[in-house]
Amino acid sequence: GQNIDQPTEMTATEGAIVQINCTYQTSGFNGLFWYQQHAGEAPTFLSYNVLDGLEEKGRFSSFLSRSKGYSYLLLKELQMKDSASYLCAVQDSNYQLIWGAGTKLIIKP
Amino acid sequence: ETGVTQTPRHLVMGMTNKKSLKCEQHLGHNAMYWYKQSAKKPLELMFVYNFKEQTENNSVPSRFSPECPNSSHLFLHLHTLQPEDSALYLCASSQERASGSDEQFFGPGTRLTVL
Repeated sequence: GQNIDQPTEMTATEGAIVQINCTYQTSGFNGLFWYQQHAGEAPTFLSYNVLDGLEEKGRFSSFLSRSKGYSYLLLKELQMKDSASYLCAVQDSNYQLIWGAGTKLIIKP
Repeated sequence: ETGVTQTPRHLVMGMTNKKSLKCEQHLGHNAMYWYKQSAKKPLELMFVYNFKEQTENNSVPSRFSPECPNSSHLFLHLHTLQPEDSALYLCASSQERASGSDEQFFGPGTRLTVL
């Protein structure tokens, strides 16, 4: 079966750095997405990785290792507004998105 | 504002009611999706439409009936629902189905409660 694993919840301190991991087992691979979802709001796109390596976008970076079936989202200089759920999703061989259950990130002052 | 709107935002219905959820996208996209989001569970893809044609139905019970009259509008007709159908129903759109890096744009969702 197809499976995406990510931690259920993480806590970090304002101003710090946090890494949210995602491991996957899917039928084929056509890219990995990260989305952010604030409570009661729509998920919004953060990043897309299809090749191995690190993609940096401001305070957020996303890393992919296809051989290990592994990705992480790195958030730097954490702000209170970064408190949200972070969803990992993998596009399989049929271009269907397989979603993880999300990681709830709590930022403390 | 993501360019995808959904109405109503909240809906409470009995098991014998019939209701419809509406989604509209103003992005000029050709693919539209219905997802179910339950607490602490992954997003479940329900239906996909590409250029107004239904391309996927992920074993969704027949009490959920989608309709896509044009590439900007998507409906989800509900009838004889069960309490376990209570969830957040999200609509999304993308430029096309199966196009690699195309991100999906989500609406704010309809919070459905079935009594």
